[in-house]
Amino acid sequence: DAKTTQPNSMESNEEEPVHLPCNHSTISGTDYIHWYRQLPSQGPEYVIHGLTSNVNNRMASLAIAEDRKSSTLILHRATLRDAAVYYCILRDPSRRNYGQNFVFGPGTRLSVLP
Amino acid sequence: DGGITQSPKYLFRKEGQNVTLSCEQNLNHDAMYWYRQDPGQGLRLIYYSQIVNDFQKGDIAEGYSVSREKKESFPLTVTSAQKNPTAFYLCASSMGQSRYEQYFGPGTRLTVT
Repeated sequence: DAKTTQPNSMESNEEEPVHLPCNHSTISGTDYIHWYRQLPSQGPEYVIHGLTSNVNNRMASLAIAEDRKSSTLILHRATLRDAAVYYCILRDPSRRNYGQNFVFGPGTRLSVLP
Repeated sequence: DGGITQSPKYLFRKEGQNVTLSCEQNLNHDAMYWYRQDPGQGLRLIYYSQIVNDFQKGDIAEGYSVSREKKESFPLTVTSAQKNPTAFYLCASSMGQSRYEQYFGPGTRLTVT
């Protein structure tokens, strides 16, 4: 199964952009790239997902490398409320046993400094 | 408001007792999931259910049991066979096909002494 690699932690200053990287060198052609985040003592929440093209929504942007072996979650202006653990996950909708799709590694702990 | 509820938020039990964690969703989702999270770690899948009256083991099902008698409910029982039950337990649901995002509940923190 394709896995993802993320830095353990990152720091950002408030009001500045944040680029959270994710490496997935063994990604297959049918894997979607999903990002979730988890605030302290809460359940994870969905942030964004994409397949090949860059994606934008109200929370963030997702930049996907042309070879799809890496991606970057972009928070355009970090706020204190963005301090969380960010998870990069690969999901393959063509897989019948899709319980195997949900592998949340340790993620990246983002600290936002005022 | 639609969402997933888990109760209680904190649960304390003595070793050797079975305990059942509640998970309810009113999102009309077909699929539901249970995860376990230990401090500083990611999430590990315990059980999942794609449809009523059907469920499958995840990566760490030993010592746990589930039922899915209703679409909106997916309770998890932590049995006395689970060697290290103290953890944060998260329930989630999704539309049923894996291209859709998962929605998570607020979690139940179980402490067994």
